[in-house]
Amino acid sequence: DTAVSQTPKYLVTQMGNDKSIKCEQNLGHDTMYWYKQDSKKFLKIMFSYNNKELIINETVPNRFSPKSPDKAHLNLHINSLELGDSAVYFCASSLRGGNEQFFGPGTRLTVL
Amino acid sequence: GDSVTQMEGPVTLSEEAFLTINCTYTATGYPSLFWYVQYPGEGLQLLLKATKADDKGSNKGFEATYRKETTSFHLEKGSVQVSDSAVYFCALSDTGRRALTFGSGTRLQVQP
Repeated sequence: DTAVSQTPKYLVTQMGNDKSIKCEQNLGHDTMYWYKQDSKKFLKIMFSYNNKELIINETVPNRFSPKSPDKAHLNLHINSLELGDSAVYFCASSLRGGNEQFFGPGTRLTVL
Repeated sequence: GDSVTQMEGPVTLSEEAFLTINCTYTATGYPSLFWYVQYPGEGLQLLLKATKADDKGSNKGFEATYRKETTSFHLEKGSVQVSDSAVYFCALSDTGRRALTFGSGTRLQVQP
C-alpha cells in the first residue's frame, strides 16, 4: 500500500547511456514532481506535472525528459548520461489545491 | 526568487538535550512552511507544517511557529532521542508555484 513508489531504487550505469526512472502514486493526487538531491544533500525542483500537463520546468538540461502517461505516473528519462547526473532523484505528489507533498523513497543514480 | 536558509550542521547533542534548528526564508506573498526529515538511507517525510502567520506546527514532540515579522520557522524539541538523528530540511511553498524550495538541510546527531 505504498503511497509514492519509485523504481529502481538504485541505478548504476555508464556515461553516455540512456536510462529511465519510474514513479507511481496511489493517493489520488493530480500533481507530481521530480526533485534532484545532490551529494551535499541539497534538494531542487526539476519538473512538475498537473493532470499530465507540464507546469514547472526548471533550468534542467534537455537530456532530461519527463513523461506523464496519466496523472498517477510520472517517469523521468535521461539521455546521454553524464558524471554530474549522479544524484538521488525523488518523486513527489500532491493535490493541486493543497500544499503538502508526499515523497517517494528516492532513486540513487550513479554514473561511472 | 524564493529562498530558505538553515543553520549549518552537523548539530551534535546528547540524549534529552534541547534542540533548535534555525530557519529563515525569503518569499513574495504568503508561503506555507514545512519541516521535512530524512532518516539515513530513506526518503523525505513531512514532520510538520504551518500555512499562515502565527500558526504552530507540531508532531512527535517537534514544534515550529510561523513568524512573519522575522520570516522565520525555527524547529524545536524539548528532549531529543537517539532515534531523532537525521537530516532536517526547512522548506516553503508559495501560493502560486507550489513546488517546494528547500534549505540546505541540517544533520542532527544525537549521542546516547
